[in-house]
Amino acid sequence: SQQGEEDPQALSIQEGENATMNCSYKTSINNLQWYRQNSGRGLVHLILIRSNEREKHSGRLRVTLDTSKKSSSLLITASRAADTASYFCATVVVQGAQKLVFGQGTRLTINP
Amino acid sequence: EPEVTQTPSHQVTQMGQEVILRCVPISNHLYFYWYRQILGQKVEFLVSFYNNEISEKSEIFDDQFSVERPDGSNFTLKIRSTKLEDSAMYFCASSEQVRNQPQHFGDGTRLSIL
Repeated sequence: SQQGEEDPQALSIQEGENATMNCSYKTSINNLQWYRQNSGRGLVHLILIRSNEREKHSGRLRVTLDTSKKSSSLLITASRAADTASYFCATVVVQGAQKLVFGQGTRLTINP
Repeated sequence: EPEVTQTPSHQVTQMGQEVILRCVPISNHLYFYWYRQILGQKVEFLVSFYNNEISEKSEIFDDQFSVERPDGSNFTLKIRSTKLEDSAMYFCASSEQVRNQPQHFGDGTRLSIL
């Protein structure tokens, strides 16, 4: 079974619109993190939300976490062409070391 | 802003040869990781390293793989006898603490096995 699964797999919107990506997971977690990956580049950390937090903001990013539903969402407001990238959620399980378990990612395309 | 650096950016190797991928983590970080991403697939954890020893490894990290921190700055991943299926992007990451801290990734080494 997959620990982190993003939905949708691909999303294409117009510049200025909001983009929402969802992530579901299966086991209890210590925290959940969102990363961005531009094509051919490394992963850039965006935001970390702890299991006892429900919502977190960072600039144009808003992340929610619902541990009862084992799901998280990433909202990017007022999207820009530079936001075009793949977005991954990654979970850190409660019991164990701090390895990140990544989902398949959402490929976000912002059309100018 | 401090960053994780990886070298080389691209490595082409014949099957059966040994490769060493190098990483310089952020200087005050204590926890180090290797991940890989096969083309079109998700990023997979390989190994974590703390206090000069492996703290966790995945099923992928078999006897062909080893990690080392040969000095105070470098962190290396060695693949002893490469296979075609080792072709992937290999990412190094580091974190300051182990709990509730982001991991900072390098730009990766693209390993191509011929």
